[in-house]
Amino acid sequence: DTGVSQNPRHKITKRGQNVTFRCDPISEHNRLYWYRQTLGQGPEFLTYFQNEAQLEKSRLLSDRFSAERPKGSFSTLEIQRTEQGDSAMYLCASSPYTEAFFGQGTRLTVV
Amino acid sequence: AQTVTQSQPEMSVQEAETVTLSCTYDTSESDYYLFWYKQPPSRQMILVIRQEAYKQQNATENRFSVNFQKAAKSFSLKISDSQLGDAAMYFCALLARPFGAGTRLTVKP
Repeated sequence: DTGVSQNPRHKITKRGQNVTFRCDPISEHNRLYWYRQTLGQGPEFLTYFQNEAQLEKSRLLSDRFSAERPKGSFSTLEIQRTEQGDSAMYLCASSPYTEAFFGQGTRLTVV
Repeated sequence: AQTVTQSQPEMSVQEAETVTLSCTYDTSESDYYLFWYKQPPSRQMILVIRQEAYKQQNATENRFSVNFQKAAKSFSLKISDSQLGDAAMYFCALLARPFGAGTRLTVKP
């Protein structure tokens, strides 16, 4: 399968715990995006990488959130000290520039 | 700042009929891409159709076509011969961001 892969698909965590999600983009796609989506809403942009450089961060990305893309390949999104308001679907997309392809998302539930 | 607006939260269509979903946008870029994505209950975002702004010809993908009005900054999606499997949330977007709020399409048998 050469599509965008996200792991885990589902994550349930207790409030205050740290969680990390992984995104493996389509090979040779130099751009990678992270989004958060709550039910009934459109995806909200969080951050964007071109190769290993994080070029843009949304104001939604509080200091509890951090993202990396070492070596310009896979990317990780970490949320520290999770809060119930962090419960959402986290989507990753990769792009060769002209269009974005999405993974299946990681559904986070904070209890 | 770029914006994308979908003014129809919900739409309904009879199976085999045609429906049009509306989208308006704003960008200061001269060259850009517009997209329609479909999101079924599985939450997987599926690319439906893409339009390059410098191309005057409206994009078409099988039963899906767009009406791209660059001057009016309008980008509507027409679904012909609607099928039950077309029922989903539909999102309009500029490349990667932002996304509109979505239109929930119901297809009635």
